[in-house]
Amino acid sequence: KQEVTQIPAALSVPEGENLVLNCSFTDSAIYNLQWFRQDPGKGLTSLLLIQSSQREQTSGRLNASLDKSSGRSTLYIAASQPGDSATYLCAVRPFNSNYQLIWGAGTKLIIKP
Amino acid sequence: DTGVSQDPRHKITKRGQNVTFRCDPISEHNRLYWYRQTLGQGPEFLTYFQNEAQLEKSRLLSDRFSAERPKGSFSTLEIQRTEQGDSAMYLCASSSVNEKLFFGSGTQLSVL
Repeated sequence: KQEVTQIPAALSVPEGENLVLNCSFTDSAIYNLQWFRQDPGKGLTSLLLIQSSQREQTSGRLNASLDKSSGRSTLYIAASQPGDSATYLCAVRPFNSNYQLIWGAGTKLIIKP
Repeated sequence: DTGVSQDPRHKITKRGQNVTFRCDPISEHNRLYWYRQTLGQGPEFLTYFQNEAQLEKSRLLSDRFSAERPKGSFSTLEIQRTEQGDSAMYLCASSSVNEKLFFGSGTQLSVL
């Protein structure tokens, strides 16, 4: 059974720092992995989608990597800003699912001005 | 198109009542998903539609839950005989073939 873990559950850093969020999954048989952002009381915004054949994806100050063999993905945020404060979740689509995603519980990120 | 719309944003109901939520996906998207989320947890998959066909339904979903997408456009999620454990944020998402999900703002259900 696929399980997705995000550690730490919460992270607080000063503005301007570069930071890395971690996501690990137990079964490497996945189609893709997505990183999402969620603001309090709101829905989720997809940030980056990495197909199983890819190693990384970049969008602006965000870079996501995928290492299937080790069951790990990282989300790198450069030059963090207070507006980056949110909960970041990762989700994988396993081979044995019809488009069902398995989610981590998220990392709550606070960027201090 | 302004994205995925969900209605209502909030619903308060008494235990035992039926509730229905609506989702309008992005018009070009043929895939529609319903998820449920409780505080501090990741979303939990409920069901998936491709056009009007319901292709997958969570085994965790009891018979009190039903979803439809009659014309392959909007979708409804109905919960019958609500229980306090049904209190959660109900999220709808849509996607095209590239599987990047676009979520609505959700419907927050509180069962008293």
